[in-house]
Amino acid sequence: EAGVTQFPSHSVIEKGQTVTLRCDPISGHDNLYWYRRVMGKEIKFLLHFVKESKQDESGMPNNRFLAERTGGTYSTLKVQPAELEDSGVYFCASTEGGRAFYNEQFFGPGTRLTVL
Amino acid sequence: AQSVTQLGSHVSVSEGALVLLRCNYSSSVPPYLFWYVQYPNQGLQLLLKYTTGATLVKGINGFEAEFKKSETSFHLTKPSAHMSDAAEYFCAVSHTGFQKLVFGTGTRLLVSP
Repeated sequence: EAGVTQFPSHSVIEKGQTVTLRCDPISGHDNLYWYRRVMGKEIKFLLHFVKESKQDESGMPNNRFLAERTGGTYSTLKVQPAELEDSGVYFCASTEGGRAFYNEQFFGPGTRLTVL
Repeated sequence: AQSVTQLGSHVSVSEGALVLLRCNYSSSVPPYLFWYVQYPNQGLQLLLKYTTGATLVKGINGFEAEFKKSETSFHLTKPSAHMSDAAEYFCAVSHTGFQKLVFGTGTRLLVSP
């Protein structure tokens, strides 16, 4: 069974450009999470989808970030326009439906975003 | 609000020595506690978790952790380090109704021969 996949693995862009990150969760997982780790800091929650609906987006930094989950399958996270402080590693995770608060979240390898 | 503190951004041990990675949490309600490990170029992998019941939790690769409510701690241990244990370890907390994980800053474990 394929794990959580993320694309691209690395992205280097100029300040002011747009970048779109993609996450493919494990097939059948209703819950999808985005996290971010800025260098040297903790991994921070960004948002949580249940199927195609945003359950919790309390961690989204500002309106330059837009997350979507079409048809409850893969998800994209768009940053527009990118700023220097957006650099970091963006992780995606997924879990099955149901009582997911203590279910294992399966993580992807992350996308390393560098904004110059 | 919940928070997690991991003491020591880097911990160095010799192969065969005891591994102790410290984690303290802050939570106003009973927490669910997790340890994740990240090997180079891989995603985070769950080592073990505490939800309810027995406070000593055994995980994969010989790791275990003990939930101590009085000390608000969930330290990770392994009796004998192996070279393959070199990785970054993250402690995390969540609680009922809040499915997001709150992570500590991570501890990189270095194992020398």
